[in-house]
Amino acid sequence: NAGVTQTPKFQVLKTGQSMTLQCAQDMNHNSMYWYRQDPGMGLRLIYYSASEGTTDKGEVPNGYNVSRLNKREFSLRLESAAPSQTSVYFCASRMTGMNTEAFFGQGTRLTVV
Amino acid sequence: AQTVTQSQPEMSVQEAETVTLSCTYDTSESDYYLFWYKQPPSRQMILVIRQEAYKQQNATENRFSVNFQKAAKSFSLKISDSQLGDAAMYFCAYRSYNQGGKLIFGQGTELSVKP
Repeated sequence: NAGVTQTPKFQVLKTGQSMTLQCAQDMNHNSMYWYRQDPGMGLRLIYYSASEGTTDKGEVPNGYNVSRLNKREFSLRLESAAPSQTSVYFCASRMTGMNTEAFFGQGTRLTVV
Repeated sequence: AQTVTQSQPEMSVQEAETVTLSCTYDTSESDYYLFWYKQPPSRQMILVIRQEAYKQQNATENRFSVNFQKAAKSFSLKISDSQLGDAAMYFCAYRSYNQGGKLIFGQGTELSVKP
């Protein structure tokens, strides 16, 4: 059981380039999330999808777009990367319900130069 | 909006000793969840312990326990008999009952364990 899989694990981009971070889960979870982790700031929510076909902004959505391709997959796109988007990105998923926990992917370290 | 604050950027503990990591939060809600996550150098986020706000009893998981003070909005993590493998970044997190399962994280506390 793979859980939550993110690709790639590492990426270096030049300013202005675009890229898509991929996330897939095999636990049949309804909800999926994208967070970014920066030193001294913990993890902050970028976007989330409560169910297939819906997406909502989180705390720091500017500069990002997302697609909930199907129930398994939730991608994060940077249209024009900026150095401020240098971060570690985490995807998470969770079965909707009160007493359920989130499962995280292993993270993507993105550097924008 | 809810906030979570971890005021200790770094902590250190001697192997086999006990250490307490602090967390405070702010919310106007009465029902919510609180979590402690561990992030070792591998970057993997690992759930350590969970507390439901309506439960007065403090949660425990083996060597890990919490001191949940709802009125004071405090949620500290105690690690007993510290082991070298406990060295990691620890995050406190809040989750509302009704906001899509979003987690609000504190800034993190880097714990080192001295042999």
